[in-house]
Amino acid sequence: DAKTTQPTSMDCAEGRAANLPCNHSTISGNEYVYWYRQIHSQGPQYIIHGLKNNETNEMASLIITEDRKSSTLILPHATLRDTAVYYCIVNSGGSNYKLTFGKGTLLTVNP
Amino acid sequence: NAGVTQTPKFQVLKTGQSMTLQCAQDMNHEYMSWYRQDPGMGLRLIHYSVGAGITDQGEVPNGYNVSRSTTEDFPLRLLSAAPSQTSVYFCASRKAEGGGNGYTFGSGTRLTVV
Repeated sequence: DAKTTQPTSMDCAEGRAANLPCNHSTISGNEYVYWYRQIHSQGPQYIIHGLKNNETNEMASLIITEDRKSSTLILPHATLRDTAVYYCIVNSGGSNYKLTFGKGTLLTVNP
Repeated sequence: NAGVTQTPKFQVLKTGQSMTLQCAQDMNHEYMSWYRQDPGMGLRLIHYSVGAGITDQGEVPNGYNVSRSTTEDFPLRLLSAAPSQTSVYFCASRKAEGGGNGYTFGSGTRLTVV
């Protein structure tokens, strides 16, 4: 799986959009970009994934650059409950069972 | 759906004891995995299964055994607990079909070996 690079930590004001970047310059054509988050002491939670196109669901939006070497997870209206470690993971899905978790980005949403 | 259920939530073992961490899912997911998470580190894959009767080793399998006799259950066995196995253990599952399904994780088992 391609390696990802994320900032160690970020802050965001409550109610504002949180934009979390991820670099994955060695991503290959069949690899997806996944985002998970882990709220303190809980199990990781799947957020969203994408291959080439931008994606949106009820939790977040995922913007993938045209060259696919980086992506941004957007939480449109961050709340205090969004404070968590966010993991960007590149994985080919399908028969690739292993998720390789890095250290992620600690997002702190401030009141 | 209950999702992925892990039991127990907390456990203290003495060195050398054995125990089984339980994991059950009711979503008819083919793939199931066990991860451990140590302070300051990301999750590391211990064992995984792609279906009933099929298991394989992950990144850190030593000291752990698994079996998958049913689609729903994927227990993790510690044969002879060691302090190095003190960790938080997470079980996860997902559907096999489709290239980009996300995993559903359980809430974890916090294990301390003294």
